[in-house]
Amino acid sequence: AQKVTQAQTEISVVEKEDVTLDCVYETRDTTYYLFWYKQPPSGELVFLIRRNSFDEQNEISGRYSWNFQKSTSSFNFTITASQVVDSAVYFCALSEADDKIIFGKGTRLHILP
Amino acid sequence: GAVVSQHPSWVICKSGTSVKIECRSLDFQATTMFWYRQFPKQSLMLMATSNEGSKATYEQGVEKDKFLINHASLTLSTLTVTSAHPEDSSFYICSARLTGHLTEAFFGQGTRLTVV
Repeated sequence: AQKVTQAQTEISVVEKEDVTLDCVYETRDTTYYLFWYKQPPSGELVFLIRRNSFDEQNEISGRYSWNFQKSTSSFNFTITASQVVDSAVYFCALSEADDKIIFGKGTRLHILP
Repeated sequence: GAVVSQHPSWVICKSGTSVKIECRSLDFQATTMFWYRQFPKQSLMLMATSNEGSKATYEQGVEKDKFLINHASLTLSTLTVTSAHPEDSSFYICSARLTGHLTEAFFGQGTRLTVV
């Protein structure tokens, strides 16, 4: 069965610091997809990235970067030079062939001014 | 990008009444939609998978008679919370996936249900 673990429940950093959110997943499928979503206080989910299991290249998008390592079943997310607007709950998620997206418990990120 | 619209954004209802939440894919067809529930400060828990023209598939522990799901068309799925009770108060979010594009998923803005 698929499972996503976000061990960090809550993180607080001072603005401009870098922060990494950890995500470890479990799946028996060879084809799967990994996601990161941001959920601000409004509740709406903001899509950040989707990565399929055959693409292990790291990705950078502005201040955001993702490190996908199949060897450790991890898909970590780093925010560089954090800003107060980055404060939110971040969810890592996994989808297998049945298309269901299963979410981790989320990491609540506080960026302190 | 594709848009999923959920209505209403919030609703307050009396205990014992039923509430219907709509999820529409505005510019694409979705053979499959998913319904999630999120309690405060918790994760999104999948409730059911809604397939157009067939019965929904419920996750373990979700009462199918209480949470009625109808997916009558490729652009609309509805979730009805029947005989709502205060413990049903939660944030409900739907998701739709593009037909033939199994990797894409789009989420509605969510519905905050408060049962008093």
